[in-house]
Amino acid sequence: DAGVIQSPRHEVTEMGQEVTLRCKPISGHNSLFWYRQTMMRGLELLIYFNNNVPIDDSGMPEDRFSAKMPNASFSTLKIQPSEPRDSAVYFCASSSGLAGGGETQYFGPGTRLLVL
Amino acid sequence: AQSVTQPDIHITVSEGASLELRCNYSYGATPYLFWYVQSPGQGLQLLLKYFSGDTLVQGIKGFEAEFKRSQSSFNLRKPSVHWSDAAEYFCAVNTGFQKLVFGTGTRLLVSP
Repeated sequence: DAGVIQSPRHEVTEMGQEVTLRCKPISGHNSLFWYRQTMMRGLELLIYFNNNVPIDDSGMPEDRFSAKMPNASFSTLKIQPSEPRDSAVYFCASSSGLAGGGETQYFGPGTRLLVL
Repeated sequence: AQSVTQPDIHITVSEGASLELRCNYSYGATPYLFWYVQSPGQGLQLLLKYFSGDTLVQGIKGFEAEFKRSQSSFNLRKPSVHWSDAAEYFCAVNTGFQKLVFGTGTRLLVSP
């Protein structure tokens, strides 16, 4: 299996530009997670989906962030407009199962975003 | 609120020496606990996890962890560290509905 695939791996953009991060989960997994990692705040869960439906988006920092999962094999995280404080590594993870089972989350390699 | 504390930001261990990374959690119910490792520029890889049963859990790469309910701890151990173990290690607790709460991580440095 190819694992969780994220693109791009690196993104450099200017403040105010729209940024779209992409994720392809492991085939057969029905839960998908977006995390952000920064030095100041560590690893934070932004949003997660189950069966393509957003279950909890309480971690999304503000309205500039949005996430979609149009089908079981693709998700996007969009930042519009981007700001320098959005610079971070964004991870996508996927797992099988739904609630409380503690299924293993498999992480992608991350997208390193730099907003100038 | 659920939380995970990793009190050591950095640890340096000589190659071949034993290792213990500390993790304490705060959670009202029986926790699901995880240890992940992150190599530089990479994503997170699961080392091991605890759900129930035997409190000593074996993982990949020769790692093990022991769940101690009385101490709210889930410390990671390895009897003999290799240079390739240098990485950042994250403890995490599952708070239900698959929400993982991570600790701040411990960076392991291995000296020759």
